[in-house]
Amino acid sequence: EAGVAQSPRYKIIEKRQSVAFWCNPISGHATLYWYQQILGQGPKLLIQFQNNGVVDDSQLPKDRFSAERLKGVDSTLKIQPAKLEDSAVYLCASSRSSYNEQFFGPGTRLTVL
Amino acid sequence: SQQGEEDPQALSIQEGENATMNCSYKTSINNLQWYRQNSGRGLVHLILIRSNEREKHSGRLRVTLDTSKKSSSLLITASRAADTASYFCATAGGVQNDMRFGAGTRLTVKP
Repeated sequence: EAGVAQSPRYKIIEKRQSVAFWCNPISGHATLYWYQQILGQGPKLLIQFQNNGVVDDSQLPKDRFSAERLKGVDSTLKIQPAKLEDSAVYLCASSRSSYNEQFFGPGTRLTVL
Repeated sequence: SQQGEEDPQALSIQEGENATMNCSYKTSINNLQWYRQNSGRGLVHLILIRSNEREKHSGRLRVTLDTSKKSSSLLITASRAADTASYFCATAGGVQNDMRFGAGTRLTVKP
């Protein structure tokens, strides 16, 4: 089966600009996750969707980050405006349910200058 | 938060030796998972162990879980240079079974 797809793979922007990331999960996976991984650290969960509903966004900086999962399939994560500390790899993962293992995409490496 | 904490932060061994990594967490969990991340690449799921299980095996991997001590260990036997990577434990708990990752153990296997 096809894996989790993410785009773009790399993005460089100036601070205060906006950026959006896209994720296409594995077909049939109800749960979708967005993580932020800063260099040298473990992934930090930003938001978790169950189908198209949000079940956990407690660690999402809602003043600048937003995410949606329309129709319970693809998802987008947006940062507006970006700050220097947002430089990180943004990982998308999906699973059959929140009680199953997660499959990760290759990530998007964001550099904010 | 039930975030796991791995120990040691870094481990260097010779090929053929065994590698043991530990994970401790603070609150009750539904399951605990181990992931591997090669340099500059995505995370790969290794093993999921549920809170009512004590030990699981997968090939050269052995995971134990002690819920009374809130700890888990990952053992890699007969290590290979290709096992060089960062290893993360992730705990899942709460009503929504949300995931929290630790900072990872960086394993280097020297040929």
